[in-house]
Amino acid sequence: QVQLKESGPGLVQPSQTLSLTCTVSGFSLTSNSVHWVRQPPGKGLEWVGAIWSGGSTDYNSALKSRLSISRDTSKSQVFLKMNSLQTEDTAIYFCTRKLGLWGQGVMVTVSS
Amino acid sequence: DVVLTQTPPTLSATIGQSVSISCRSSQSLLHSNGNTYLHWLLQRPGQSPQLLIYLVSRLESGVPNRFSGSGSGTDFTLKISGVEAEDLGVYYCVQGTHAPYTFGAGTKLELK
Repeated sequence: QVQLKESGPGLVQPSQTLSLTCTVSGFSLTSNSVHWVRQPPGKGLEWVGAIWSGGSTDYNSALKSRLSISRDTSKSQVFLKMNSLQTEDTAIYFCTRKLGLWGQGVMVTVSS
Repeated sequence: DVVLTQTPPTLSATIGQSVSISCRSSQSLLHSNGNTYLHWLLQRPGQSPQLLIYLVSRLESGVPNRFSGSGSGTDFTLKISGVEAEDLGVYYCVQGTHAPYTFGAGTKLELK
């Protein structure tokens, strides 16, 4: 079955680092790009970044200094790490294959 | 970064009515390879986004043909020919021609 599933902590303290995992099944990471998109409560979609089939990455300009996306192709997993978290980073984080297939999303709340 | 301006922000329609959503880009989305990476997504309440149209006018598999996309350069339109109840939600355009990807702010389609 072709799917993506996000996992990670629901609550992160301010200034700490967020680590999320996107586990995919039914397709290869070496043939498909995976994007991260986030959505603050009640707001629109924001592109966070992507890792391309060849392993290169692109990031949202405003988040670039705090963000890292990587992958483990043997485990079919894509990782997002974002440091220095602030309350404005509170959002649902989605991973998606080429924007065509989406995970269910994981809610991340930044709060002390 | 490319700015996508969607209008209107809110659209009220009756069942069966045809409606259009505009997406204007701050720069041409024609890629040097000849493709135009402008796509349309629908996010129904409480759900992950769904790809409707990719590359301006190509209908994603399984999407009803009452949805159509058109445009070129900087001006793009999504048309729904005969709104149905299941079409309610927020529509987003997204561009992938110029890194980083960017989303429009969204257009909320609601019942009149």
